[in-house]
Amino acid sequence: GNSVTQMEGPVTLSEEAFLTINCTYTATGYPSLFWYVQYPGEGLQLLLKATKADDKGSNKGFEATYRKETTSFHLEKGSVQVSDSAVYFCALSDGGRRALTFGSGTRLQVQP
Amino acid sequence: DTAVSQTPKYLVTQMGNDKSIKCEQNLGHDTMYWYKQDSKKFLKIMFSYNNKELIINETVPNRFSPKSPDKAHLNLHINSLELGDSAVYFCASSQGHTGELFFGEGSRLTVL
Repeated sequence: GNSVTQMEGPVTLSEEAFLTINCTYTATGYPSLFWYVQYPGEGLQLLLKATKADDKGSNKGFEATYRKETTSFHLEKGSVQVSDSAVYFCALSDGGRRALTFGSGTRLQVQP
Repeated sequence: DTAVSQTPKYLVTQMGNDKSIKCEQNLGHDTMYWYKQDSKKFLKIMFSYNNKELIINETVPNRFSPKSPDKAHLNLHINSLELGDSAVYFCASSQGHTGELFFGEGSRLTVL
């Protein structure tokens, strides 16, 4: 079956530090990949996506590249802000069923 | 206007009681979901409806019964509540197979 593995958190960084949150996946076929973000007390929001190999998704300074050879979709940001503090979820959709498979989430804490 | 709205936001109840959570989306989407998020932030799909038809029913106790009166609404009824049902329940919606879900703010259920 499909699965998504994320690095365990929390990840604690100082403002303006570089961020990487690792995500690897297992799926049959060619899934679409997503990063969702959950701010405290809120529902999840789509942050970025990539639908095929070598695609790069980007939004709000965050980027992730769909790497089929390493089955990875790592999230990066060059300079984090306190307002980026949230839980980040990697997810995949195989298109065959209308439910995303989520990773376990990684909490990011950014300190001033 | 809230795209996906859930009520109530908080529920505190005793073991053995029955409770319902309501969800409405005004995005015109054809698919709605219920996810359960546990205390460790792990998200698990429970149910999915497409145009009022149940298409995903994961291994969920039959105390949980979803109902979709129309494609804009998906309600969740829970009978005989147990301590382990304490969680945040998220409703979400999507259109097509894009994997782009829109989430409500969640309903935090506490069973005492």
